[in-house]
Amino acid sequence: NAGVMQNPRHLVRRRGQEARLRCSPMKGHSHVYWYRQLPEEGLKFMVYLQKENIIDESGMPKERFSAEFPKEGPSILRIQQVVRGDSAAYFCASSNRGEDQPQHFGDGTRLSIL
Amino acid sequence: TQLLEQSPQFLSIQEGENLTVYCNSSSVFSSLQWYRQEPGEGPVLLVTVVTGGEVKKLKRLTFQFGDARKDSSLHITAAQPGDTGLYLCAGATYYGGATNKLIFGTGTLLAVQP
Repeated sequence: NAGVMQNPRHLVRRRGQEARLRCSPMKGHSHVYWYRQLPEEGLKFMVYLQKENIIDESGMPKERFSAEFPKEGPSILRIQQVVRGDSAAYFCASSNRGEDQPQHFGDGTRLSIL
Repeated sequence: TQLLEQSPQFLSIQEGENLTVYCNSSSVFSSLQWYRQEPGEGPVLLVTVVTGGEVKKLKRLTFQFGDARKDSSLHITAAQPGDTGLYLCAGATYYGGATNKLIFGTGTLLAVQP
């Protein structure tokens, strides 16, 4: 399966801990996007990255959240000192370079904060 | 702020009926994508429309992009129980060498009764 791979599928953390979510883009894709789906809400953009660069982080909370897409390895979304309100499904998407290239999504990581 | 309103929010119909889902915005998008999402999974891309006035058919599904590229519709002919799911439209802007963030619609939850 050469689709977008996210892991873990489910992650449980206690308040104050750190959460690290991983995303391997589709083969050949160099652009990664992270979205969050809160309970009873729609999908909201968080951050857009290319290899080693953050292009647009306008949807990411200013504190506790960070994202990276290193030269080698998966993209990581990191949430420090998690709070109950961080409980959500986090989706990663990837696309090829070029105008109007569609984004393909992974199956998400469901983060639950105890 | 770019917003995409979908209507209806919920739709319950009998197998064999036709239906149309609408996606409206006051903003212009470079392209618009339709996805279907099943519970516990990520959105699956159905189609991308790019040109104003464009019509695309995918078996029993017909997608149209408005002339001004601000709105779109999805028409399903002779709906089947397998069409049940959450349908999402998403508007894309183009920036930085690839499609930038997607603005997702509010979603239409379709249930097709056998």
